[in-house]
Amino acid sequence: EDQVTQSPEALRLQEGESSSLNCSYTVSGLRGLFWYRQDPGKGPEFLFTLYSAGEEKEKERLKATLTKKESFLHITAPKPEDSATYLCAVQARGYNKLIFGAGTRLAVHP
Amino acid sequence: DAGVIQSPRHEVTEMGQEVTLRCKPISGHNSLFWYRQTMMRGLELLIYFNNNVPIDDSGMPEDRFSAKMPNASFSTLKIQPSEPRDSAVYFCASTPVLVSVLGGDARYNEQFFGPGTRLTVL
Repeated sequence: EDQVTQSPEALRLQEGESSSLNCSYTVSGLRGLFWYRQDPGKGPEFLFTLYSAGEEKEKERLKATLTKKESFLHITAPKPEDSATYLCAVQARGYNKLIFGAGTRLAVHP
Repeated sequence: DAGVIQSPRHEVTEMGQEVTLRCKPISGHNSLFWYRQTMMRGLELLIYFNNNVPIDDSGMPEDRFSAKMPNASFSTLKIQPSEPRDSAVYFCASTPVLVSVLGGDARYNEQFFGPGTRLTVL
């Protein structure tokens, strides 16, 4: 069964304290792994798509990496505005739908 | 572009009533998805359409739920009769079909989500 597990469930950081979020997945043929950010009361907002192991993508303070079993979202020197829930999702070959993890709630305090 | 539009943004109804949620996808997008998000179960796919045709409705919880896409610019999700356990935030998302330049394998890129409809069934 295709499955996505995110850890930790919640993370509290001080401003400037770098850390990483983890997304472990089990899928029958990965077509793509997606990272989304969700602010309270809003829909998820796309961040990255990773297609193959070894691939990396960066956007401002965020960097996503992918291996054959997991993905990491590295946050470098976070700011309070980075506070949000970060969702990971996978798309299996032959399917259009995304399977989402439960998310990591990130709080960055000044 | 206005993005994905959903209405209403909030809906409060009583158990047994019919509820209709509406979605307008981004113009030109070929696929449309309905999701439900709750604290207990997270974000779950209910159904998705490709070129207005339902492709996978395995996530629809039961026969009380139905979805239609009469044209490329409009979709509805209907719950009849509604129950308190249907209370959740319902999201609509759309995406274009992108064909990779490598081997012609169709790759779906990002899904653009609407702002959601918060449904409360009393």
